[in-house]
Amino acid sequence: ETGVTQSPTHLIKTRGQQVTLRCSSQSGHNTVSWYQQALGQGPQFIFQYYREEENGRGNFPPRFSGLQFPNYSSELNVNALELDDSALYLCASSLGEGRGNTGELFFGEGSRLTVL
Amino acid sequence: SQQGEEDPQALSIQEGENATMNCSYKTSINNLQWYRQNSGRGLVHLILIRSNEREKHSGRLRVTLDTSKKSSSLLITASRAADTASYFCATRLYGNNRLAFGKGNQVVVIP
Repeated sequence: ETGVTQSPTHLIKTRGQQVTLRCSSQSGHNTVSWYQQALGQGPQFIFQYYREEENGRGNFPPRFSGLQFPNYSSELNVNALELDDSALYLCASSLGEGRGNTGELFFGEGSRLTVL
Repeated sequence: SQQGEEDPQALSIQEGENATMNCSYKTSINNLQWYRQNSGRGLVHLILIRSNEREKHSGRLRVTLDTSKKSSSLLITASRAADTASYFCATRLYGNNRLAFGKGNQVVVIP
């Protein structure tokens, strides 16, 4: 158990809809990263939030957006869903830079999104 | 962004045997990490090796890093059925808090 929780665990949406995924980080962690993992692939970096600000973004379109709250929990929002957005969405928390952080990530169990 | 690539991608072994997986990457790194994933669930951190280290052990795990060849290997000794999982290498660049993951190695340990 990493102490990182994600919700919902599974959801089904139709193309064009919007989805919000939620993540609670491990106690003491101020950084949250989101990854998308397609079936049979490795996780792909979407973006990272540090102290409520976006702190790096991967190769994902603007319809992928996020938030981090003062308690360091986070949301991932995806608008105008496409079939290819079907994947496991993983949230990972970590310590921010400057605190001896080696970049080790603590992952939640993921939210599996199916877009029909 | 760079990505680790594991080789081989699927491995089936008998319980008690050793399992070895390799990973290559393309640019200079701060550290390299190995993660494990069971059946599409969350990833669990196994071991981290820094760019100035060549070998590291943790229980039945042994990881090596060759920065001149930009490659790493993960060895699981005396495998158990419970080691059945997907194993991913991930690289962290200097000044960057994101990890770049490879495609993963699926390991099946037959009891």
